[in-house]
Amino acid sequence: AQSVSQHNHHVILSEAASLELGCNYSYGGTVNLFWYVQYPGQHLQLLLKYFSGDPLVKGIKGFEAEFIKSKFSFNLRKPSVQWSDTAEYFCAVYMRFGAGTRLTVKP
Amino acid sequence: DGGITQSPKYLFRKEGQNVTLSCEQNLNHDAMYWYRQDPGQGLRLIYYSQIVNDFQKGDIAEGYSVSREKKESFPLTVTSAQKNPTAFYLCASSIVGNAEAFFGQGTRLTVV
Repeated sequence: AQSVSQHNHHVILSEAASLELGCNYSYGGTVNLFWYVQYPGQHLQLLLKYFSGDPLVKGIKGFEAEFIKSKFSFNLRKPSVQWSDTAEYFCAVYMRFGAGTRLTVKP
Repeated sequence: DGGITQSPKYLFRKEGQNVTLSCEQNLNHDAMYWYRQDPGQGLRLIYYSQIVNDFQKGDIAEGYSVSREKKESFPLTVTSAQKNPTAFYLCASSIVGNAEAFFGQGTRLTVV
């Protein structure tokens, strides 16, 4: 069955710490990969996407993700988080989503 | 102002009643989706439609029904057969079936 797994349920960081959120998927063939973010009280919105080409993709607000085909992974990174990054983050493959990771950044 | 409109934002129903959640988009997107969001479970796909007058079951379609008579509209009916209907429901659309999805604000359904 097709599935998307996010490794961390809740991550707590201090401001300026580096972030890496894991995402693995089980799909065959070519995939379109997404990270979405849901800030408190707001719509889900796209953070970044990968369709093809350079496996390191950059998104909004300093986020980036790396597609590693051999590991079926699409991990999200940010070198230095801010309090405003507090949100829930979802990895998606096509129209299937992971369980989400809640990020809390302490000022 | 383009986007996806879900209404109402909050909905209360008695157990045993069917209820229909509205989703309208003016983005001219072909594909539309319904998800259910529960704490710790992410978004689970209920139904999706890639073209007017056609739709497919997602991963948790039991107890739900949809229609897609117009490109801009994709209403979801939560039937009395849905064993645990209280949840947050999200509608989304995309230009084609595997492109970036745009989401509505959601409807929080409470069944008492």
